[in-house]
Amino acid sequence: EIVLTQSPGTLSLSPGEGATLSCRASESVSTIYLAWYQQKPGQAPRLLIYRASSRATGIPDRFSGSGSGTDFTLTISRLEPEDFAVYYCQQFASSPSTFGGGTKVEIK
Amino acid sequence: EVQLVQSGAEVKKPGESLNISCKASGSSLTNYWIGWVRQMPGKGLEWMGIVYPGDSETRYSPSFQGQVTISADKSLRTAYLQWSSLKASDTAMYYCVYSAGTYRYNWFDPWGQGTLVTVSS
Repeated sequence: EIVLTQSPGTLSLSPGEGATLSCRASESVSTIYLAWYQQKPGQAPRLLIYRASSRATGIPDRFSGSGSGTDFTLTISRLEPEDFAVYYCQQFASSPSTFGGGTKVEIK
Repeated sequence: EVQLVQSGAEVKKPGESLNISCKASGSSLTNYWIGWVRQMPGKGLEWMGIVYPGDSETRYSPSFQGQVTISADKSLRTAYLQWSSLKASDTAMYYCVYSAGTYRYNWFDPWGQGTLVTVSS
């Protein structure tokens, strides 16, 4: 199975700062099979980015996704208070689909 | 817009059976898959498996194959996650997810609200 490794585990930042989250795959993943999700405490995850770089409906443009092959990145250009959460990447190129371990973005 | 509504929280004893459900509604319910994702307390997301209600094709993660049964009733637009004999280690939040697609599934959107399963003697 494809293993996704997210780094860092925790990112401590202040509102207004930018965030760069990494997702590295154990083997190459086509961009069309890579997604990012956001999960806030006590809530279900929600889709942020699909096909590595397409924003889901209603997602602000401060969120962007990039990357290819084995290295993918989620960038938040300017953190708003509501962006402090856990972020997961997911691949569904091959079965089983797998998630990364998550990156927690916390308030510094 | 698709919505997923899951059945309510469950408290069970080890060895008991359980069936939780996920009902889909909305205008664009064609060619879709319903999957299940486990989240143990304080942990990350684990993909368990997925079913295509159109023909009941089911795919499982090796980690969950034989441990649970995933099924669907196309006419009821409802998917199910079933255990025949629960263990304490099955205590977790279980999310159902919608994925558009015919021959393969894609990203998960939307997610159900989650069903908390607690297994304790």
